[in-house]
Amino acid sequence: DIQMTQSPSSLSASVGDRVTITCQASQDISNYLNWYQQKPGKAPKLLIYDASNLETGVPSRFSGSGSGTDFTFTISSLQPEDIATYYCQQYDNPSITFGQGTRLEIK
Amino acid sequence: QVTLRESGPALVKPTQTLTLTCTFSGFSLSTSGMCVSWIRQPPGKALEWLARIDWDDDKYYSTSLKTRLTISKDTSKNQVVLTMTNMDPVDTATYYCARIRGAVAGPDYWGQGTLVTVSS
Repeated sequence: DIQMTQSPSSLSASVGDRVTITCQASQDISNYLNWYQQKPGKAPKLLIYDASNLETGVPSRFSGSGSGTDFTFTISSLQPEDIATYYCQQYDNPSITFGQGTRLEIK
Repeated sequence: QVTLRESGPALVKPTQTLTLTCTFSGFSLSTSGMCVSWIRQPPGKALEWLARIDWDDDKYYSTSLKTRLTISKDTSKNQVVLTMTNMDPVDTATYYCARIRGAVAGPDYWGQGTLVTVSS
């Protein structure tokens, strides 16, 4: 199985800050990577697909980049409603795997 | 509008078999490229993929759980069923079903999830 290493595991930032999360795959996954936002008690919400494409309706402050094994997720200007846990997820093969998540808090 | 909803028992006893049903609308599993996956999340922990069934009835299972899982579909009812045998307290989790559109894609729409507790 492809392992996804996500960091940091938690992050505290101020409103307006630029926030970056990284995800590393254990092997080349091309651009087959999604980013999700999960708020407490809710299902994950797809934000970014194919590593860098913004899902319809998602604010443009969210972005993704990378290919191969190294990926980055960025919030350009943190808003209070962005408080959540974020997950990367690879789909290079049907056995999809998720990163361990990054819990984002407001400082 | 795509929706998915999970249903099943909230509480199962150790060694019992869990049966979960995903009822969906807004798409058809007879359409080429459509797939449904099951994913779970233990309380306070990360997401774990369990199984996937495709429009052409191809099935895929988690390597670590494949001996315990069976996934099936009823296209006429717009339902996907997951069974997990020999339940253990470590299987306590919220279980989600999710749609995948395309053979090489990740889940886009998710159900709200159903919490299953394994306890005697």
